[in-house]
Amino acid sequence: NAGVTQTPKFQVLKTGQSMTLQCAQDMNHEYMSWYRQDPGMGLRLIHYSVGAGITDQGEVPNGYNVSRSTTEDFPLRLLSAAPSQTSVYFCATRGRTDTQYFGPGTRLTVL
Amino acid sequence: DAKTTQPTSMDCAEGRAANLPCNHSTISGNEYVYWYRQIHSQGPQYIIHGLKNNETNEMASLIITEDRKSSTLILPHATLRDTAVYYCIVRVAGDMRFGAGTRLTVKP
Repeated sequence: NAGVTQTPKFQVLKTGQSMTLQCAQDMNHEYMSWYRQDPGMGLRLIHYSVGAGITDQGEVPNGYNVSRSTTEDFPLRLLSAAPSQTSVYFCATRGRTDTQYFGPGTRLTVL
Repeated sequence: DAKTTQPTSMDCAEGRAANLPCNHSTISGNEYVYWYRQIHSQGPQYIIHGLKNNETNEMASLIITEDRKSSTLILPHATLRDTAVYYCIVRVAGDMRFGAGTRLTVKP
C-alpha cells in the first residue's frame, strides 16, 4: 500500500517548456487535489477533483491544467512554464474520514 | 470557510507541553477544526480534528472553546521531532485551504 506517490521528485525546466507532474493513489479516495508551496509560505490550492471526470479550480489555477480520467491518477500539467511557477508541488487525497493524505512532493525549478 | 489566525512562531522546551492557539472567530456551526503539521519540507501530516467537543488521539489533544471561536492544539510531551509548522484549518466541505501556520521549535 504505497499511499500517495508523486513523480518526478525533482525537475528543472526552461521557461516556456511544458510538463506533467504525476500523482497516483492506491487508497480508492474520491477526492484529490494539488497544492503549491513557495519558499517560507503556506500551501495554496491549485486544482481539486471530487471524483473521476470532475475537476474544479482552487486559489491559484492559472497556468495549470488537470484532468481526472481514473480514481487513481490526477496529473497536473504546466502548459508553458514560467519562473513564477518555481515551487514545491504536493498532491493530496481525502477519503470518507476527511483526513487528507499528502504525497512527498515534486520540487520544480523553472529557469 | 472561516479564516484562522495563528501566531507566526513559538518555542517549547523538550518534554514540556506545547500549546498552539488558533483563532477562528467567524466559524459557523457546521465547520470542523482541523490541525495538520509539516515537518521540514515533507508533505503535511494530519494530527486531529473536532467539531465542538474536545478530542484526543495518540498524537495530541484538541481543546475547542464553548463558543467555538478559538481552539488549542496540545502536544503533551513535546520532543525535538515535533519541530514543525502547524496549520489550523476550519472547513465544512470541499477543498481544504492552508494558511501560514505556526512554526513550533522544540528546544533541548
